[in-house]
Amino acid sequence: TQLLEQSPQFLSIQEGENLTVYCNSSSVFSSLQWYRQEPGEGPVLLVTVVTGGEVKKLKRLTFQFGDARKDSSLHITAAQTGDTGLYLCAVPSSNTGKLIFGQGTTLQVKP
Amino acid sequence: NAGVTQTPKFQVLKTGQSMTLQCAQDMNHNSMYWYRQDPGMGLRLIYYSASEGTTDKGEVPNGYNVSRLNKREFSLRLESAAPSQTSVYFCASRKDSTLANEKLFFGSGTQLSVL
Repeated sequence: TQLLEQSPQFLSIQEGENLTVYCNSSSVFSSLQWYRQEPGEGPVLLVTVVTGGEVKKLKRLTFQFGDARKDSSLHITAAQTGDTGLYLCAVPSSNTGKLIFGQGTTLQVKP
Repeated sequence: NAGVTQTPKFQVLKTGQSMTLQCAQDMNHNSMYWYRQDPGMGLRLIYYSASEGTTDKGEVPNGYNVSRLNKREFSLRLESAAPSQTSVYFCASRKDSTLANEKLFFGSGTQLSVL
């Protein structure tokens, strides 16, 4: 069973549309990170959220950590073709030093 | 400003062959990681090294071995490659694994095909 469930798995939209992707779990986490990966490259960190209910904004991207710290969402306003990529959420695994990733949401923004 | 460097970028192996994937970081990070990425599976942790001199299993360690050669280098070895090990492999590092908020820096990946 997957520790983190991301939905949807794949999303194809037109430039200018809004979208939300989700990262859910039944476990409580001390923090959660979102990464974006472009084809042929490694993932790059977008944001870390640590407090239940926390909202962080990165230009047109809005990240929210659930009140119970079990889930998170990423909302993109007025998507652009440059937002195309794989979005991954990741959480620390207890105090082991491991970082566990969800299966990702592939976003395609068409011009 | 190299960051995390992985070699090779591409590799084709026959079943049963062995090979070592190399990874080096120049950021003086303590912790290093090996992940594999398969379609629809996200990134799965193979092995990690919280600090120089230590290594631990991740989610999918079977069929792999690792060596933390020094603080900079962390290699991944496939002793007898199998088609199920066809994947894209990523090495990553971060300053301190005990701080959950620490950012992971990734290399650009090694695409491995086992025939």
